[in-house]
Amino acid sequence: AQTIHQWPVAEIKAVGSPLSLGCTIKGKSSPNLYWYWQATGGTLQQLFYSITVGQVESVVQLNLSASRPKDDQFILSTEKLLLSHSGFYLCAWSRDNYEQYFGPGTRLTVL
Amino acid sequence: GDSVTQKQGQVTLSEDDFLFINCTYSTTTYPTLFWYVQYPGQGPQLLLKVTTANNKGISRGFEATYDKGTTSFHLQKASVQESDSAVYFCALVGDSAGNKLTFGIGTRVLVRP
Repeated sequence: AQTIHQWPVAEIKAVGSPLSLGCTIKGKSSPNLYWYWQATGGTLQQLFYSITVGQVESVVQLNLSASRPKDDQFILSTEKLLLSHSGFYLCAWSRDNYEQYFGPGTRLTVL
Repeated sequence: GDSVTQKQGQVTLSEDDFLFINCTYSTTTYPTLFWYVQYPGQGPQLLLKVTTANNKGISRGFEATYDKGTTSFHLQKASVQESDSAVYFCALVGDSAGNKLTFGIGTRVLVRP
């Protein structure tokens, strides 16, 4: 069975500080991987997706970047956080049948 | 681009009531349509998938039906329980590679005991 892990579970950061969020998927080789952002009480906005190591496509620019250093790992980062980056960050993976499965998420608070 | 519209922001029901949530969509391709459920503090869970081929999906007592004529797909359950309280999102994959998933705003369902 596939498992998806996100770290950290929660972060409190200062405006202007850097950020790195991680996602690992186990039990599935060469998954498609995705990053989403969700404002409190809001909908999910797809940010990035990756279909292979080293290749990332941007869907929405929110002063964030993503990288896929390994087949099972997806990283979301920024060098300078904004207040508007606060929210819930979700990683997801998919098989070939378009179904996306989400991880537990990381709650980010920017002060 | 693709879009998904959920007009019901919140629905309040009592146990054993009938649940109906409507969702309409717009896309230039043959869509694959999903319903996700999100409980507080958790990531969304895939509830149902509906394609233009099967027109209907059923899972955990929920049923989703797709209507090409009205470009809508709705979610229903005959008898809700308090444990069904959650936020329900409809979503659409409109690109042929299946990577771009567009979500509706979500419908918060509150079931009172």
